Amino acid sequence: SYELTQPPSVSVSPGQTARITCSGDALPKQYAYWYQQKPGQAPVLVIYKDNERRSGIHERFSGSSSRTTVTLTISPVQAEDEADYYCQSADISGTFVLFGGGTKLTVL
Amino acid sequence: QLQLQESGPGLVKPSETLSLTCSVSGGSISDTNYYWGWIRQPPGKGLEWIGNIYYNGASHYNPSLKSRVSIFVDTSKNQFSLKLSSVAAADTAVYYCARLLVRTVALDYWGQGTLVTVSS
Repeated sequence: SYELTQPPSVSVSPGQTARITCSGDALPKQYAYWYQQKPGQAPVLVIYKDNERRSGIHERFSGSSSRTTVTLTISPVQAEDEADYYCQSADISGTFVLFGGGTKLTVL
Repeated sequence: QLQLQESGPGLVKPSETLSLTCSVSGGSISDTNYYWGWIRQPPGKGLEWIGNIYYNGASHYNPSLKSRVSIFVDTSKNQFSLKLSSVAAADTAVYYCARLLVRTVALDYWGQGTLVTVSS
């Protein structure tokens, strides 16, 4: 079955750059989306269609794509960015939604 | 501002049917630009897509849950509902309802989520 693969954790110091990757075979054909989830809260859409920043999201957040991998970049990282981040996309037919396993971003 | 609110029992017995409703305010569930979906998150784990429904009843379900899931829409009440049958402890999760933009799978608005525990 089709999967999206993310690293379980990423750690960075404040002011540095965090990069969270998401890999999947259908990503060259399907857009990816990124969500931020803080403890006890619902996820929030931050990036859509690979690299479009949602209105109201700080410009420190950006997205990019290269073949079967998409990347969420946060630069410079701030303490308030500590959260779980999930990538999301669709299967090759565009019918079924799936999420990556999530990446816990720790700001040291 | 669009708002979604989940409601339903917080405790369901094993083998019974989980039923939740999502009430939509600040927008119409009949808006042709959107699907309406359910997502769940077991405690301490990641997000799992359950399924989507369009205002006309057209739906898509996660293949891993398809045999147990039904999603319904009630345009007169501006609500949509989830039924998950034959539940087990593994179905214990926070259940979210959300709005999806047509022709994408972007979930742009979410409810706050509701914890459903499966236990006798």
